[in-house]
Amino acid sequence: AQTVTQSQPEMSVQEAETVTLSCTYDTSENNYYLFWYKQPPSRQMILVIRQEAYKQQNATENRFSVNFQKAAKSFSLKISDSQLGDTAMYFCAFMRSWGSGGGADGLTFGKGTHLIIQP
Amino acid sequence: DTGVSQNPRHKITKRGQNVTFRCDPISEHNRLYWYRQTLGQGPEFLTYFQNEAQLEKSRLLSDRFSAERPKGSFSTLEIQRTEQGDSAMYLCAAGRDSYNEQFFGPGTRLTVL
Repeated sequence: AQTVTQSQPEMSVQEAETVTLSCTYDTSENNYYLFWYKQPPSRQMILVIRQEAYKQQNATENRFSVNFQKAAKSFSLKISDSQLGDTAMYFCAFMRSWGSGGGADGLTFGKGTHLIIQP
Repeated sequence: DTGVSQNPRHKITKRGQNVTFRCDPISEHNRLYWYRQTLGQGPEFLTYFQNEAQLEKSRLLSDRFSAERPKGSFSTLEIQRTEQGDSAMYLCAAGRDSYNEQFFGPGTRLTVL
């Protein structure tokens, strides 16, 4: 079974600052996907960024980037130039690759980090 | 908008009653997942459909929980004889072959009195 740990229940930064959210995971799988999802207050969960474990290059999406350390089983999210609209719960999630019989397992989520961007 | 809708958005029921939730993904989404999210926790996977076939249901929380996707389009999640511990947000997510992203609906918040 897989586990995902987010050790920061809540973080608060000033607008325009850079913030890093931590995530570690445990798995015996070699092929898998990692995700960061954002859940704004009372709104739908949306995908922020994804990383395929076989790719060494860290994924980036505009102001969002990850630091993927496969050996350390670490997958942190960096938000640059933070904006008020970034205020939300952020969830780190794991999924086994389809080829390993995953996908049908669904996503395994961490408990989330509540990120507050202060004006 | 993720293209996944859920109804109702809120449901208040009395303990012992049965409830049914509906999820409508867009037609391209042949994969469909149900999750439960309790306060302060991340979503917890319940069950998975590929088209109309329910390929994973061992994670349903008890035999009071059941799900269907009769024509491979919309899906329903039913909870029989609800208990106060069933109070939670129930999320539906959908995706399609060759894509690992799941698109989430807004959820149905269940309150059992």
